[in-house]
Amino acid sequence: EADIYQTPRYLVIGTGKKITLECSQTMGHDKMYWYQQDPGMELHLIHYSYGVNSTEKGDLSSESTVSRIRTEHFPLTLESARPSHTSQYLCASGGGDTQYFGPGTRLTVL
Amino acid sequence: AQTVTQSQPEMSVQEAETVTLSCTYDTSESDYYLFWYKQPPSRQMILVIRQEAYKQQNATENRFSVNFQKAAKSFSLKISDSQLGDAAMYFCAYRSSPGWGSNYKLTFGKGTLLTVNP
Repeated sequence: EADIYQTPRYLVIGTGKKITLECSQTMGHDKMYWYQQDPGMELHLIHYSYGVNSTEKGDLSSESTVSRIRTEHFPLTLESARPSHTSQYLCASGGGDTQYFGPGTRLTVL
Repeated sequence: AQTVTQSQPEMSVQEAETVTLSCTYDTSESDYYLFWYKQPPSRQMILVIRQEAYKQQNATENRFSVNFQKAAKSFSLKISDSQLGDAAMYFCAYRSSPGWGSNYKLTFGKGTLLTVNP
């Protein structure tokens, strides 16, 4: 069944650690997105990609980086996690008009 | 830049009743897409319904329907026969069509938290 996956679902980590949030989709979509969702539930686009080797920064400045080496995979990396990075991170993909979302990763940085 | 406004931070409805969630948007474009997404407490965002601006007919998906008023830039969601499982945060979203130089990004409203009372 075609779907979009995120791992881990929950992550608690100490300050200064490097982390990678995984996102994979089996729908063959070219476009993929990362959103950060604040405690008030507002969504902010932080990265997007139109295809392999294409990455762009979103509307909200983020210290994270992304890569797109394979169509189905769009990981997000934080080189040195800080408490201000604590948030919900949602990955999405889209092949036409509509974006489909993964289950999210709840990141807590202590 | 486009903006999406959801003026109702919270709404509540009795089970089996009907509720309407409001959404307005601001754009200078004539062709675009509008969406309603639902995010239950489990947190996975689910597409509820989509509307293409050039289609005058209001979209319908089972108990969910929209009232799309293009001139008024209004896109409300009606949920009929509300069920306990409808309780969630609902987001209205806008996307430009490719002809407008779209980068396929979604612009979201701030959400409406719907509570369904038994």
